[in-house]
Amino acid sequence: DTGVSQDPRHKITKRGQNVTFRCDPISEHNRLYWYRQTLGQGPEFLTYFQNEAQLEKSRLLSDRFSAERPKGSFSTLEIQRTEQGDSAMYLCASSLGDYQETQYFGPGTRLLVL
Amino acid sequence: AQSVTQPDIHITVSEGASLELRCNYSYGATPYLFWYVQSPGQGLQLLLKYFSGDTLVQGIKGFEAEFKRSQSSFNLRKPSVHWSDAAEYFCAVGPTTGYSSASKIIFGSGTRLSIRP
Repeated sequence: DTGVSQDPRHKITKRGQNVTFRCDPISEHNRLYWYRQTLGQGPEFLTYFQNEAQLEKSRLLSDRFSAERPKGSFSTLEIQRTEQGDSAMYLCASSLGDYQETQYFGPGTRLLVL
Repeated sequence: AQSVTQPDIHITVSEGASLELRCNYSYGATPYLFWYVQSPGQGLQLLLKYFSGDTLVQGIKGFEAEFKRSQSSFNLRKPSVHWSDAAEYFCAVGPTTGYSSASKIIFGSGTRLSIRP
């Protein structure tokens, strides 16, 4: 499968715990995006990387959230001191970053904070 | 501000009937427009996209969409739906992008499609 993959697919955690999600983009895609999707809503942009550089972060990304893409390939999204409001689907997408780019999405990680 | 409105939260159509899902956008420049579909437990799959040119765009699974600049709309259509089309459909708009810009897609809130046997 050469699509975008995410791990884990599901995560249940207790409030206050830290969680980390991983995204593996389509190979040779130099842009990687993170989105968050809450129930009944469309995805909302969180942050994106051009290769290993994190170039933009949404106001939704509080200081408890951190994302990395250390070698310009896979990316991790960490949430520290989780809150119940963090419960959502976290989606990763990647693109070639070319003109008229198209983003391809992974299956997402569903987070439930108890 | 850029925004996407999908006025129908939930639509039910009979199998074999035609379908039209509405999408209106607000964007200052010529937008890039997308329709994605999301099935339960699945990620978003791109159905079709419009960047420029012919305003009637063909996509996968027999879907098409028409860009109407005067109405700021990009409605999705299918002449005959199948039970497997039951899913959540998202319209999205993105900015014109160059090599130094990010295509930060703005999604609508989605329309849930149910198929009546």
